[in-house]
Amino acid sequence: SQELEQSPQSLIVQEGKNLTINCTSSKTLYGLYWYKQKYGEGLIFLMMLQKGGEEKSHEKITAKLDEKKQQSSLHITASQPSHAGIYLCGADRKSGGGADGLTFGKGTHLIIQP
Amino acid sequence: DTAVSQTPKYLVTQMGNDKSIKCEQNLGHDTMYWYKQDSKKFLKIMFSYNNKELIINETVPNRFSPKSPDKAHLNLHINSLELGDSAVYFCASSLTIGNTIYFGEGSWLTVV
Repeated sequence: SQELEQSPQSLIVQEGKNLTINCTSSKTLYGLYWYKQKYGEGLIFLMMLQKGGEEKSHEKITAKLDEKKQQSSLHITASQPSHAGIYLCGADRKSGGGADGLTFGKGTHLIIQP
Repeated sequence: DTAVSQTPKYLVTQMGNDKSIKCEQNLGHDTMYWYKQDSKKFLKIMFSYNNKELIINETVPNRFSPKSPDKAHLNLHINSLELGDSAVYFCASSLTIGNTIYFGEGSWLTVV
């Protein structure tokens, strides 16, 4: 089964600083999704990447999928308190997706210090 | 206007009880899911339904029984609750199999 390793497990960053979260798989990633979970709340869809080398941005968050489609990174520029939460990467278990949903990493806890 | 809504959001109940969590999506999606997030925040698929039909049933005790009365609803019924069932249960949906999955806000279940 595909396992996703996220690093770091937790991250404390001063407000205004940049940060990067990584998601690595031992197998090819088919459809890589990034979600954010605010403490005590649900998962919010951020971005989805499918093609090797693909990069997407939304506001101050940029996600990339490497050419080999085995690693994705999530980069936040000029972090703000609103960025705090748990970031989860999830991947389709097979090409084209499947009814078995996504396999998730264990999440990265992000704390933003004022 | 919540796209995927679950009720209740919080549930505290005693061991041995039977409880249900309801889920509704107003996105017109064909596929719905139940995920469980344990105390270590690990999120894992439990069930998926496509057009009201059970597609995936991961290794979940048969005390857990999903029911889909129509495409917009997928309820989760849990019999004989155990302490280890304490977790956050997320309902989710996607347009169809393989599309982006949208999650509800979660239901925090505590078994005492």
